[in-house]
Amino acid sequence: GAVVSQHPSWVICKSGTSVKIECRSLDFQATTMFWYRQFPKQSLMLMATSNEGSKATYEQGVEKDKFLINHASLTLSTLTVTSAHPEDSSFYICSAASTEQILGYTFGSGTRLTVV
Amino acid sequence: KQEVTQIPAALSVPEGENLVLNCSFTDSAIYNLQWFRQDPGKGLTSLLLIQSSQREQTSGRLNASLDKSSGRSTLYIAASQPGDSATYLCAVRGSTLGRLYFGRGTQLTVWP
Repeated sequence: GAVVSQHPSWVICKSGTSVKIECRSLDFQATTMFWYRQFPKQSLMLMATSNEGSKATYEQGVEKDKFLINHASLTLSTLTVTSAHPEDSSFYICSAASTEQILGYTFGSGTRLTVV
Repeated sequence: KQEVTQIPAALSVPEGENLVLNCSFTDSAIYNLQWFRQDPGKGLTSLLLIQSSQREQTSGRLNASLDKSSGRSTLYIAASQPGDSATYLCAVRGSTLGRLYFGRGTQLTVWP
């Protein structure tokens, strides 16, 4: 079945530093990747949608200069949280979709980011 | 804009009970609807997916129904077990490669 690998699973960083989260589709080509953020006991909030080779489309209220998304290949998308602050601490999850798998999207296992 | 609501927000039941989780959505023009399970601190596991042309899907003790015209879906869990304890999320998709709209989930606890 389709597998999406997300790394790291958890990361702790200092305020002001940048953190990169990777999302890889292991056995299919991901035409589209979605990045979500989840606060404790809340649902998933879509941050942005990225298509391979194109600039990401950000949801309203999401700072594109703070949350940099790169989807340079059909198997890899990255989310970089720049100049992280404690309020950026959250659970980030990616989801990958392809034209071969239009029935259901595959989700990564998530990354717990803690900014201290 | 699509809005997805899940009721109840939380549910605590003894082992063996049959359960019904509800999901409603405001825009009936959906491509499909998907039920997920999320364990604490983990990602999402897909349970059942119903295409817009389908009425229900079954997998083991799980059955999901879809009434697109009324904007409702129900996840039925038979003979619940402590291992079923998790948060259950409902999500709808509006188009082929469109985004998912999630509900806030139902937090289920099944105690022995």
